[in-house]
Amino acid sequence: DSGVTQTPKHLITATGQRVTLRCSPRSGDLSVYWYQQSLDQGLQFLIQYYNGEERAKGNILERFSAQQFPDLHSELNLSSLELGDSALYFCASSAKDRSGNTIYFGEGSWLTVV
Amino acid sequence: GQNIDQPTEMTATEGAIVQINCTYQTSGFNGLFWYQQHAGEAPTFLSYNVLDGLEEKGRFSSFLSRSKGYSYLLLKELQMKDSASYLCAVRSPYSGNTPLVFGKGTRLSVIA
Repeated sequence: DSGVTQTPKHLITATGQRVTLRCSPRSGDLSVYWYQQSLDQGLQFLIQYYNGEERAKGNILERFSAQQFPDLHSELNLSSLELGDSALYFCASSAKDRSGNTIYFGEGSWLTVV
Repeated sequence: GQNIDQPTEMTATEGAIVQINCTYQTSGFNGLFWYQQHAGEAPTFLSYNVLDGLEEKGRFSSFLSRSKGYSYLLLKELQMKDSASYLCAVRSPYSGNTPLVFGKGTRLSVIA
C-alpha cells in the first residue's frame, strides 16, 4: 500500500458525460501528479500540482482539468468524454522539493467510456 | 523534449539473470527511475540513479551512464512473480519535485 488513495476504482460512463476522479496523497506529500495509462501509449503525464498550485502540465486535453485543494487532495475532471478516454488514470504523490524524491502511485481509477 | 526507449517484451527463465536496457535522450537530466508494474496494478518503485554507476538492492540492480544516455535494470535469481512490466522513467531537468517521464515499459515473462 503506497498510501495514495484514489476513488472510484472503476467507472463506466457514456460518451459526452463528465466524471471526477479523486485522489488523496500520502500524508505530508505536497506534490500530486496525474497520469493516464492506455494500452498503446504507456504512462502519460497529465498535470502536477504542488501545495495547491499548478506546477507542470503535460499532455492534458483541454476537456480535462484538475485542482488541488487546501487539504492537499486533488480532483481530475474529465468532460465531453470520448471512447478514446477509456484508460487507467493514476494519481501519484511525492514529498518536499527534492530531486531524488520517489513518486508513489495510487491503485488507479479504471475509466470505461461506452 | 524527452525520448525514452526500452524493448517491448523479453522472456527469461526462472532462476536466471535478465538485463533490461533503457536509452534516453533529454534536454536535461535529473535522475532515472525504474518501476515495476503488474498488469492492472500501480507502478511500484524499484530504484533511482542520478550518478554514474551501479546501485544494488537485493536481487535488483540498476546502472546508469549519463554520457551514453543509458541505463539498465538487472534482475537476478528470477522468480515467477517477477513477470511484470518494467518502466524506465527520467526526471525533468529542473531541480525539485518535477514529473517523471516514462518509457512504454518492457513486459517481462518469466518461464519455468
